[in-house]
Amino acid sequence: DTGVSQNPRHKITKRGQNVTFRCDPISEHNRLYWYRQTLGQGPEFLTYFQNEAQLEKSRLLSDRFSAERPKGSFSTLEIQRTEQGDSAMYLCASSFSTVSTEAFFGQGTRLTVV
Amino acid sequence: GESVGLHLPTLSVQEGDNSIINCAYSNSASDYFIWYKQESGKGPQFIIDIRSNMDKRQGQRVTVLLNKTVKHLSLQIAATQPGDSAVYFCAENMEGGTSYGKLTFGQGTILTVHP
Repeated sequence: DTGVSQNPRHKITKRGQNVTFRCDPISEHNRLYWYRQTLGQGPEFLTYFQNEAQLEKSRLLSDRFSAERPKGSFSTLEIQRTEQGDSAMYLCASSFSTVSTEAFFGQGTRLTVV
Repeated sequence: GESVGLHLPTLSVQEGDNSIINCAYSNSASDYFIWYKQESGKGPQFIIDIRSNMDKRQGQRVTVLLNKTVKHLSLQIAATQPGDSAVYFCAENMEGGTSYGKLTFGQGTILTVHP
């Protein structure tokens, strides 16, 4: 499978714990995006990278959230001291930084904070 | 518990009918508009996009119409099939600068196709 891969697919954690998600983009894509999607809503932009540089962060990305893409390939999204409001689907997408708008999404990681 | 579709508009059609899904957008400066399809438990899948200097674009069984005067976008699906059942989202992309590729999604519409 050469699409965008996200792990784990599901994560249940207790409130206050830290969690980390991984995204492996399509190999030749230099842009990588993180989105969050809650039930009944469309995905909301969190942050994106071009190669290893984090170019933009949404105001939705509180200080408890940190994303990295150390070698310009895979990316991790960490949430520290999770809260129940963090429960959502976390989606990763990748694309080329060209005139194409087609971003390919992964299957997402479903986070449940109990 | 809350279901995915609790607050989303819904459209039910018979197999073989044409479907029209509508979307209102807010940012008149958006340069690209994209339709995504999302099946249960999966990430959004790109369907078709249209640039702001166009008013119509056709793909395979799908047509997107853009009316910038009233900030309205529609997706037409011809000969709808059960496999088209999903949630459909419109999204805006503002081209240029460092915000290129960042998408703002609309609320979504649930399409159900009955055999």
